[in-house]
Amino acid sequence: DVKVTQSSRYLVKRTGEKVFLECVQDMDHENMFWYRQDPGLGLRLIYFSYDVKMKEKGDIPEGYSVSREKKERFSLILESASTNQTSMYLCATTQGGPGANVLTFGAGSRLTVL
Amino acid sequence: GQNIDQPTEMTATEGAIVQINCTYQTSGFNGLFWYQQHAGEAPTFLSYNVLDGLEEKGRFSSFLSRSKGYSYLLLKELQMKDSASYLCAVMDSNYQLIWGAGTKLIIKP
Repeated sequence: DVKVTQSSRYLVKRTGEKVFLECVQDMDHENMFWYRQDPGLGLRLIYFSYDVKMKEKGDIPEGYSVSREKKERFSLILESASTNQTSMYLCATTQGGPGANVLTFGAGSRLTVL
Repeated sequence: GQNIDQPTEMTATEGAIVQINCTYQTSGFNGLFWYQQHAGEAPTFLSYNVLDGLEEKGRFSSFLSRSKGYSYLLLKELQMKDSASYLCAVMDSNYQLIWGAGTKLIIKP
């Protein structure tokens, strides 16, 4: 089974802090995604990557950036955290190129910004 | 705009059958997914439909009607462990996933 590991399950940060959320997968999956999940809303795509050093903006990239220096690692960065970024962040992966592939999710990182 | 609608919450009894509906309006269609998410855990894949009809997997079945923009997830012989949120997602013509807000299913003894 593919395992997707998110380094922090719970984080509490202060407004203005820089936040790093790390995601590591242990299979050779090309595609990696960052979503946020908020009550009453569907998952919203922040950024995705189909290859090392490649990144594409999703639906809500404002206030976020990403880094993919190695195939297995995809990091989400909040340059200056704000309270409206309090959310559950989910990392996911799929095999192969763009297409109807099944997502494998990490357990999530719940971020609270005070 | 693109939209996925599913009920916010449903309640059912252990041992019974429940049907969770999902209607969608998207730019194109490349398949519909159902995921299960237990509280505090990652979503996990349940089913994928791209052609009209019913797909059965044990106690779970998923139905699709592309002409109606409609799908349902049918859960039979409900167990307490089926208490979870069920997420419907449609892949549009650009192979981007559009997600519903999820249906929280509560199972009562």
